[in-house]
Amino acid sequence: DTGVSQDPRHKITKRGQNVTFRCDPISEHNRLYWYRQTLGQGPEFLTYFQNEAQLEKSRLLSNRFSAERPKGSFSTLEIQRTEQGDSAMYLCASSLVGPTTNEKLFFGSGTQLSVL
Amino acid sequence: GQNIDQPTEMTATEGAIVQINCTYQTSGFNGLFWYQQHAGEAPTFLSYNVLDGLEEKGRFSSFLSRSKGYSYLLLKELQMKDSASYLCAVFSGGYNKLIFGAGTRLAVHP
Repeated sequence: DTGVSQDPRHKITKRGQNVTFRCDPISEHNRLYWYRQTLGQGPEFLTYFQNEAQLEKSRLLSNRFSAERPKGSFSTLEIQRTEQGDSAMYLCASSLVGPTTNEKLFFGSGTQLSVL
Repeated sequence: GQNIDQPTEMTATEGAIVQINCTYQTSGFNGLFWYQQHAGEAPTFLSYNVLDGLEEKGRFSSFLSRSKGYSYLLLKELQMKDSASYLCAVFSGGYNKLIFGAGTRLAVHP
């Protein structure tokens, strides 16, 4: 399977706990995005990386959220002290940026987070 | 600021044609994408426009007018499996990130 993979598919946690999600992008892709999606809404941008550099982080994102891409391959998204409002689908996407590419994003199946 | 507008819901009949509109106001523009998303699944790529005009791909076509900040997705010969959300997304910003609209939920009826 050469698509974007995310782990876990589902996560149920209690309010106040920390959670970490993992994303493995398509191997040759240099850009990796994290989005959050709630029911009936489009994906909301959280942050993205080009190789290992974090290019931008949404201003809506609280400091409880942190993301890393240590070697420019897989990425992790950590949420500390989870709140019920964090319940959502967390989507990862990757793309290949280059002079002849139109940067089509390929999405993983997402991690569904439920905070009780 | 960034603003992408599309209708919340649409219904259509199997075999018919439907047009889903999208208007955008973004800080910079470097291309517009349409994605399809079935309930509980990840978005999948449908089309990309960066220049004005119509891009056709099988039953799906997408149109762009940059001067009007407007795009539409045209779906022909609708099938039941086309029932899904259709997301309009714009590449914008200094570092070129993809910003999504809220999506249009299309229901296709027999």
